[in-house]
Amino acid sequence: QQQVKQSPQSLIVQKGGISIINCAYENTAFDYFPWYQQFPGKGPALLIAIRPDVSEKKEGRFTISFNKSAKQFSLHIMDSQPGDSATYFCAASRGSGAGSYQLTFGKGTKLSVIP
Amino acid sequence: GAVVSQHPSWVICKSGTSVKIECRSLDFQATTMFWYRQFPKQSLMLMATSNEGSKATYEQGVEKDKFLINHASLTLSTLTVTSAHPEDSSFYICSASGTGAYGYTFGSGTRLTVV
Repeated sequence: QQQVKQSPQSLIVQKGGISIINCAYENTAFDYFPWYQQFPGKGPALLIAIRPDVSEKKEGRFTISFNKSAKQFSLHIMDSQPGDSATYFCAASRGSGAGSYQLTFGKGTKLSVIP
Repeated sequence: GAVVSQHPSWVICKSGTSVKIECRSLDFQATTMFWYRQFPKQSLMLMATSNEGSKATYEQGVEKDKFLINHASLTLSTLTVTSAHPEDSSFYICSASGTGAYGYTFGSGTRLTVV
């Protein structure tokens, strides 16, 4: 049973546009929701993360919106650039790394930003 | 920020031989290490979780005698693929959590090709 559902599977955005990726989770025990960026042949790198006590977190061009009642969270990339072209994974866990809880990943979204 | 160094970044080995992949936490104590396998265009699949000084816990379907995990210190964990076969060819990624780091820190991955 997939506990984190991610959409879309792929996304093409023009340079300067807004990229939006959505995730939904099922396990209400999750309390840590990170987004990872992965380039081909590299490990995932943490982009931004949120805890359920806030509804939005912004870091530069990247914003997470979190809806606890709907059990959904999304990543918004403003002013998308060709260098943002990568695969993005949402994830969820309990304890943000403490207590040996594993991350549950979405299936990923391949973002292509075209000039 | 927290750094996990993973080596080698790529390795080619002959069928039947064993390969060891190392992950070192450089600036924090990795109390828990997670090992993932990733197939092309797919999400990360958790293989096992190990706590320092304890035996690893393997996910269902992962052969513990084939994928040997050692986590003998707070800064080093190794994954040994024993008697490798072409179907073991994949991208292997480690991730660590622990004291002195928030969340999960990923290594850069190891591309294993078995010929």
